Amino acid sequence: QSALTQPASVSESPGQSITISCTGSSSDVGGYNSVSWYQQHPGKAPKLMIYDVSNRPSGVSNRFSGSKSGNTASLTISGLRAEDEADYYCSSYTSSSTPVVFGGGTKLTVL
Amino acid sequence: EVQLLESGGGLVQPGGSLRLSCAASGFAFNNYAMSWVRQAPGKGLEWVSGISGSGGSTYYADSVKGRFTISRDNSKNTLYLQMNSLRAEDTAVYYCAKDTREWEVLADRFDYWGQGTLVTVSS
Repeated sequence: QSALTQPASVSESPGQSITISCTGSSSDVGGYNSVSWYQQHPGKAPKLMIYDVSNRPSGVSNRFSGSKSGNTASLTISGLRAEDEADYYCSSYTSSSTPVVFGGGTKLTVL
Repeated sequence: EVQLLESGGGLVQPGGSLRLSCAASGFAFNNYAMSWVRQAPGKGLEWVSGISGSGGSTYYADSVKGRFTISRDNSKNTLYLQMNSLRAEDTAVYYCAKDTREWEVLADRFDYWGQGTLVTVSS
């Protein structure tokens, strides 16, 4: 069982917005602003989309945004496009004996 | 251009050993903490191990502690993962990944990833 909990799958129509949640605890998501989000297309390496809860790396579309409330972080994608269809993973620093944890991943389908 | 190129994967029997390498280029390698992240077939990402830029600080997931050793040779711009006492559940694609920030001790957010190298543990 992954340390961070994500929905297994979500789906939405092109042009719409969707939010993917990532729930942890006060030992990880809730305790640190070290939440990151990654996009992974099949057979490809992950790509960093958000770091430090809400910061976008250079080159990442502003359609992607991140936020956090308590022990839950969220990734919102607005104006969905076909190319957004991918797996999305959250990660966080944690004070546990394994210092970095990932969520189980969410498969986004753009209908 | 930042490039990370893993090598060393392959088929190994349970209980065996393997050493992975990750050749880095395009950035000041010794300034950045690095990590190994793995992905079992059809499964999610799992952080495995991390090392500071100097190599003086190392970190491991509980699942590999005592079996895997991370190291780096900054003169060769290369990251390593020595894997001993391998188990079937270690079967995965192993990625090396670079932290976004200079001078951090633990890499926990990754802006560049290699293409991955497949490790298969099976008899």
